[in-house]
Amino acid sequence: AQSVTQLDSHVSVSEGTPVLLRCNYSSSYSPSLFWYVQHPNKGLQLLLKYTSAATLVKGINGFEAEFKKSETSFHLTKPSAHMSDAAEYFCVVSDSYGNKLVFGAGTILRVKS
Amino acid sequence: DTAVSQTPKYLVTQMGNDKSIKCEQNLGHDTMYWYKQDSKKFLKIMFSYNNKELIINETVPNRFSPKSPDKAHLNLHINSLELGDSAVYFCASSQEYGGRYEQFFGPGTRLTVL
Repeated sequence: AQSVTQLDSHVSVSEGTPVLLRCNYSSSYSPSLFWYVQHPNKGLQLLLKYTSAATLVKGINGFEAEFKKSETSFHLTKPSAHMSDAAEYFCVVSDSYGNKLVFGAGTILRVKS
Repeated sequence: DTAVSQTPKYLVTQMGNDKSIKCEQNLGHDTMYWYKQDSKKFLKIMFSYNNKELIINETVPNRFSPKSPDKAHLNLHINSLELGDSAVYFCASSQEYGGRYEQFFGPGTRLTVL
């Protein structure tokens, strides 16, 4: 069965500094991996996804993530944080044979001015 | 245009009541879902429908009954509401059935049971 561990429940960065949100996964099959963002009182929006193509995935708003099979990781990065990036981020895994997304517990990103 | 819409956005009700949440998607997708997000923000799938047929039914009390009148709609009816049902419920849809497809989420319905 697949599972996701987001290693940090809260991350705080200063505006203009890099962002790193860490995610490790476990999957019996070839996984599909996603990062979703949830702004306060809003629904979830897809940032990026990995589905067995290029291991470095670029998403919206300058975010990217690298799939590392040997480390079973899919960390989310952004070179320079913006105030509007403050939100909760969810790492998600789904195996290609099923239809079930399994969500991590979420990482709250705080951006200080 | 809202891709996935839910009504109502907020729902406050008493224990023991029956309530429904409606979901509609205008993306032409085949698959729709219901998720529950608890107070700790943990998201868990409840149901999945593909072409109006139930595909996934997680361990959810049978007080919860999804209904899909057509591919564009998936409603959630809850009988005999309990305090523990208080949560945010999200509807989502994807183009097809399969783990590699992106899911599009609605804005959520915040249910408060008093």
